[in-house]
Amino acid sequence: AIRITQSPSSLSASTGDRVTITCRASQGISSYLAWYQQKPGKAPKLLIYAASTLQSGVPSRFSGSGSGTDFTLTISCLQSEDFATYYCQQYYSYPFLTFGGGTKVEIK
Amino acid sequence: EVQLVESGGGLVQPGGSLRLSCAASGFTFSSYWMSWVRQAPGKGLEWVANIKQDGSEKYYVDSVKGRFTISRDNAKNSLYLQMNSLRAEDTAVYYCARDLAVAGIGFYGYWGQGTLVTVSS
Repeated sequence: AIRITQSPSSLSASTGDRVTITCRASQGISSYLAWYQQKPGKAPKLLIYAASTLQSGVPSRFSGSGSGTDFTLTISCLQSEDFATYYCQQYYSYPFLTFGGGTKVEIK
Repeated sequence: EVQLVESGGGLVQPGGSLRLSCAASGFTFSSYWMSWVRQAPGKGLEWVANIKQDGSEKYYVDSVKGRFTISRDNAKNSLYLQMNSLRAEDTAVYYCARDLAVAGIGFYGYWGQGTLVTVSS
């Protein structure tokens, strides 16, 4: 099974900061990677798919990059509503899917 | 508007069974792969199972193979997860999820609100 290692597991940042979250796959997955945002008590929300394609309605301060084994989610200017947990997910081995362990973005 | 509404969660003893349901509306249910994804308390997301549009293909994470069965009833716009031989480690919120696209690519544009399953004596 393809393993996804996400880092860091948590980070503290201030409003207006630039934040970067990384996912590394245990083998090459081309660009078959999605990113989700989850707030406490809520279902995850799709932010990005195909490593860099922004889902409709998602603010442009979110961006994704990478291919192969290394991927990055960047929030260019952190807003108060962005404090949440973020997950990456590979779908290269579809229908077998795996998620990263998550990154909790907290207020500094 | 796409809606996915799970039900059937609750408290069950180890070794017991439970059947989860997901009622879908706002889209042509029979056109989409459907999935179950779970999240243990305070933990990350884990894909559990997928089912093809006509139910002819089903896939499971290794930890539930032989114990869980995913099924669907396209006439009722409903997805199910039959969970047998439940273990403490199956305790989680279970989400019903739909692919973003009809093609069944494997990332989820739509999620239900989740239903909590607690396995404890």
